[in-house]
Amino acid sequence: GAVVSQHPSRVICKSGTSVKIECRSLDFQATTMFWYRQFPKQSLMLMATSNEGSKATYEQGVEKDKFLINHASLTLSTLTVTSAHPEDSSFYICSASLVGTGELFFGEGSRLTVL
Amino acid sequence: GQNIDQPTEMTATEGAIVQINCTYQTSGFNGLFWYQQHAGEAPTFLSYNVLDGLEEKGRFSSFLSRSKGYSYLLLKELQMKDSASYLCAVDNFNKFYFGSGTKLNVKP
Repeated sequence: GAVVSQHPSRVICKSGTSVKIECRSLDFQATTMFWYRQFPKQSLMLMATSNEGSKATYEQGVEKDKFLINHASLTLSTLTVTSAHPEDSSFYICSASLVGTGELFFGEGSRLTVL
Repeated sequence: GQNIDQPTEMTATEGAIVQINCTYQTSGFNGLFWYQQHAGEAPTFLSYNVLDGLEEKGRFSSFLSRSKGYSYLLLKELQMKDSASYLCAVDNFNKFYFGSGTKLNVKP
């Protein structure tokens, strides 16, 4: 099946710094990727839809300036958590939709801990 | 908003059958997915329904009724490794929304 790779899998940073998470579709082109956030013992919350070559579409309540999304190519989307604070600590997961099937493939997830 | 509801937690015995329900009210519908997620890991795909009826895939089956906004995931011959969270997700025309997930505990 299609493979989506996410990096880094774990990151610890100091409060006030910015962290970038990469999401790559390894064997297919993804015009659309999705970024989710998951709090402990809760389900996935869609943060934004990342569209190649255009601005991301953010869900209600998600701060655009806080969570910067760039989808520069058909195989790479990045999420940058700017000026991170402890409340941003979470599990972030990206996914990409395989055109024609609608099936979602998920990255391995990135666990962010902000000290 | 998008509402997708599932029971929070269920417990079943190894070897038994369990049904996990999902009801949804979304602004659009282009299909429903079920995912399995073990703690600390990304979800993995289980099944996909776009038309009404039952889709069977080994020990797992999924049912959809679009008129009722209802789906269920049926797990047969439960194994200990089936202990996980099960997420129902609606494809709202290429935007995916997830239910809160059902934590399934399988006991010996």
